[in-house]
Amino acid sequence: GAGVSQSPSNKVTEKGKDVELRCDPISGHTALYWYRQSLGQGLEFLIYFQGNSAPDKSGLPSDRFSAERTGGSVSTLTIQRTQQEDSAVYLCASSLREGAGTFGSGTRLTVV
Amino acid sequence: DQQVKQNSPSLSVQEGRISILNCDYTNSMFDYFLWYKKYPAEGPTFLISISSIKDKNEDGRFTVFLNKSAKHLSLHIVPSQPGDSAVYFCAAEASGGSYIPTFGRGTSLIVHP
Repeated sequence: GAGVSQSPSNKVTEKGKDVELRCDPISGHTALYWYRQSLGQGLEFLIYFQGNSAPDKSGLPSDRFSAERTGGSVSTLTIQRTQQEDSAVYLCASSLREGAGTFGSGTRLTVV
Repeated sequence: DQQVKQNSPSLSVQEGRISILNCDYTNSMFDYFLWYKKYPAEGPTFLISISSIKDKNEDGRFTVFLNKSAKHLSLHIVPSQPGDSAVYFCAAEASGGSYIPTFGRGTSLIVHP
C-alpha cells in the first residue's frame, strides 16, 4: 500500500486477556518502530527493527510485551495479560533510512 | 528524565500571525531533529527536519531554527492558518547511536480565525 497500515484501528479488551496489534509497513522500508502514546503523554518508544538485525527491545515496559517482524515486513505487537495501564494508542512507523519515518494511524487500545 | 522537552502544552494564535513552537533537549549526542504534526485520530506526519550542521531550515511557511549551544530548537509557522491547528511533536536522534527518535510530549496549536 501507499502508507503504513495498522489494524485494528480500535480494540477494547478485558483485563487479563492477550491482544495482538498488526503493522504493515511501506514496502521496502527496512526500519520499523513501535511507539505508544498514553493520554496526555508524548510518544514512548517500544521496539525497533532494522533489516535482519536483532531488534532493539529497550523500550518495552515489561515482559508482557513482545513483538516480531516476519520476513522483514509485517510486524505484530503482542501484549499478554493486559492491564488497564496498557490503554494507549499504539503507533507503528517505518522508514527507508534510520530515523523517524512514516507513521500509521495507530491502534487505540482500551483495557476494561 | 525527559531528554526532549516541549514545555508549552498548548499555544493559541490568530490566523495570519506567527506561531512559534519551542523544544529543548538535554542529550548532547542528538544531532538530527524533526518536527511532526498530528491531527486527532491520525498518526503523526513528518513536517520538517534539521541537521546539527545547520542552524536554520526553511520549507514554505515552516522554518526550524536550531541553537546548539542552548540545546534549543523552534518551529516557526508564518502565516499561521486554521488548518495548522494540530499537535506538534519535536523529536531528536543521535546518528552515532541507535537512530531511535526520542519525542517530546507535544504542543497543541490552535489557530483561530
